[in-house]
Amino acid sequence: GAVVSQHPSRVICKSGTSVKIECRSLDFQATTMFWYRQFPKKSLMLMATSNEGSKATYEQGVEKDKFLINHASLTLSTLTVTSAHPEDSSFYICSASSLVPFFGQGTRLTVV
Amino acid sequence: GNSVTQMEGPVTLSEEAFLTINCTYTATGYPSLFWYVQYPGEGLQLLLKATKADDKGSNKGFEATYRKETTSFHLEKGSVQVSDSAVYFCALSDSNNAGNMLTFGGGTRLMVKP
Repeated sequence: GAVVSQHPSRVICKSGTSVKIECRSLDFQATTMFWYRQFPKKSLMLMATSNEGSKATYEQGVEKDKFLINHASLTLSTLTVTSAHPEDSSFYICSASSLVPFFGQGTRLTVV
Repeated sequence: GNSVTQMEGPVTLSEEAFLTINCTYTATGYPSLFWYVQYPGEGLQLLLKATKADDKGSNKGFEATYRKETTSFHLEKGSVQVSDSAVYFCALSDSNNAGNMLTFGGGTRLMVKP
């Protein structure tokens, strides 16, 4: 079946630094990928839609300058959390569709 | 707008008990419906899906039927196992959106005790 790979699975960073999370579709091309954020014991909230070759579309309330999204190829989208703060600590997960939406393994970000 | 409502957990069952997790939705058009499962510390795995009314999705003993008249997609399993302990998410994909952006329910935590 279709596989979406996300890396890293866990990352701890210091406040003020930036962290890049990669999302790859391994056996299919994805012109659109989605980035979600999951707070502890909560559901997934869509952050942004990543569009290959064009700017990402952000959901209301999501800071585009803080959460930089790049979708440079049909198999790779990256989410960079810039100038990270402890409140950015969360579980971030991407998805891409090959007939149905598949999800990456998720990235647990902890900002200390 | 689209929305998905599912029963709040946690749901605690003994092994071999019958499971039902209710899910209802609001959507325009004819959405596709999904159940995803999330094991501790992991991402989401597609459990089953249905793309049109009266379709039944099934996988690993789990079933859900797309009921347009009641706008529901309840998840059922006849005999749960300890290994089924996880968080279950009901979700829909609007037929009008490209790339299958999903709207999720709040998630239901299932705990199965031996």
